[in-house]
Amino acid sequence: AQKVTQAQTEISVVEKEDVTLDCVYETRDTTYYLFWYKQPPSGELVFLIRRNSFDEQNEISGRYSWNFQKSTSSFNFTITASQVVDSAVYFCALSEAAREGNNRLAFGKGNQVVVIP
Amino acid sequence: DGGITQSPKYLFRKEGQNVTLSCEQNLNHDAMYWYRQDPGQGLRLIYYSQIVNDFQKGDIAEGYSVSREKKESFPLTVTSAQKNPTAFYLCASSISGGTGELFFGEGSRLTVL
Repeated sequence: AQKVTQAQTEISVVEKEDVTLDCVYETRDTTYYLFWYKQPPSGELVFLIRRNSFDEQNEISGRYSWNFQKSTSSFNFTITASQVVDSAVYFCALSEAAREGNNRLAFGKGNQVVVIP
Repeated sequence: DGGITQSPKYLFRKEGQNVTLSCEQNLNHDAMYWYRQDPGQGLRLIYYSQIVNDFQKGDIAEGYSVSREKKESFPLTVTSAQKNPTAFYLCASSISGGTGELFFGEGSRLTVL
């Protein structure tokens, strides 16, 4: 079984503030993949990042950064200096694709981020 | 441009009617998926297909049916047996056996009156 928990439902920030989204996952597999997707008001989910279970190196990409810690089963996501265009729903997802041979993703319930100008 | 096209974007139906949602992709992906999204519930997998003429039930398949006669197409039928069909439906595709990155369409919003 796999499970992804995103505890916060809606987060409001003032433009230029940082916002961090928490994601905690559960899996019995040793090989798995973690994802963050963004869903703007248009509805289409946009892929942001993928991490495999063997790569705990944290990364910064522009205003986005990720903190993956296997010891606490967490894969948190931070937007630095938020902008109005960052307003969207953000989903954390888990895949045990390496074992199952397919790309079934289990999604968290999402975080609605509202950036106030 | 390559991508996934879902139609219609908005659909209304009366109770007791079946409705089919279209999903077409030109990414040459083997695998396709249907997810349902409800407010505050995240995305839940309805059906998925890894290859033409084959598909498997996801977590909430009851009241839905699919077909995969062509690689490019994966239509979803919401039947009258689905007790709560009003939702946002998302189609996705991926490289089969890959690392899990899904490409999504813009979704279809179904409202049952």
